[in-house]
Amino acid sequence: DSGVTQTPKHLITATGQRVTLRCSPRSGDLSVYWYQQSLDQGLQFLIQYYNGEERAKGNILERFSAQQFPDLHSELNLSSLELGDSALYFCASSEHHNYGYTFGSGTRLTVV
Amino acid sequence: AQTVTQSQPEMSVQEAETVTLSCTYDTSESDYYLFWYKQPPSRQMILVIRQEAYKQQNATENRFSVNFQKAAKSFSLKISDSQLGDAAMYFCAYRSKDDKIIFGKGTRLHILP
Repeated sequence: DSGVTQTPKHLITATGQRVTLRCSPRSGDLSVYWYQQSLDQGLQFLIQYYNGEERAKGNILERFSAQQFPDLHSELNLSSLELGDSALYFCASSEHHNYGYTFGSGTRLTVV
Repeated sequence: AQTVTQSQPEMSVQEAETVTLSCTYDTSESDYYLFWYKQPPSRQMILVIRQEAYKQQNATENRFSVNFQKAAKSFSLKISDSQLGDAAMYFCAYRSKDDKIIFGKGTRLHILP
């Protein structure tokens, strides 16, 4: 157990629907990062939050949004889902700038 | 913008042998961090080793070591005494001062028994 908790582990939904992915960072970590990994692809950075505020944005679609709550957990909202949104979505947290990220086990999203 | 390149999509090594995975990166920054992550079939992302750019000494973690060549912007991973459990996708990653980590496309490592 890495200490970063992601729920749900698997999600199957239809095109056009909206889903919410949840992430609880490791205790003490203020930064939360979201990444998307499509089949046999590398990790694409989506968005970063630090202590409740958005800090950096990557290639995140307008249909996607995220937030980090006062208790530091984060949610990634994906709407108007398309088949191409099927992917593994990772959340990661970090204690300090000079450390690597600690990843959650990911949420496998399948859009049918 | 920073980029990370892994030129070997797949590699194979005999069990107990040594293998080196290549990674190059491009940046104009002088202070940054480099990482190797392992992603086994479980898809969990596991930090293998990290290197601070300001340190000349190469990082080592048990059977894993790096060859960090800052001037050449090269950061290769050496796995000694390869084991079946080392079979995974390996990602090289760069962390910039603006706190974002950029990943390479990965190298799939096969261990041959």
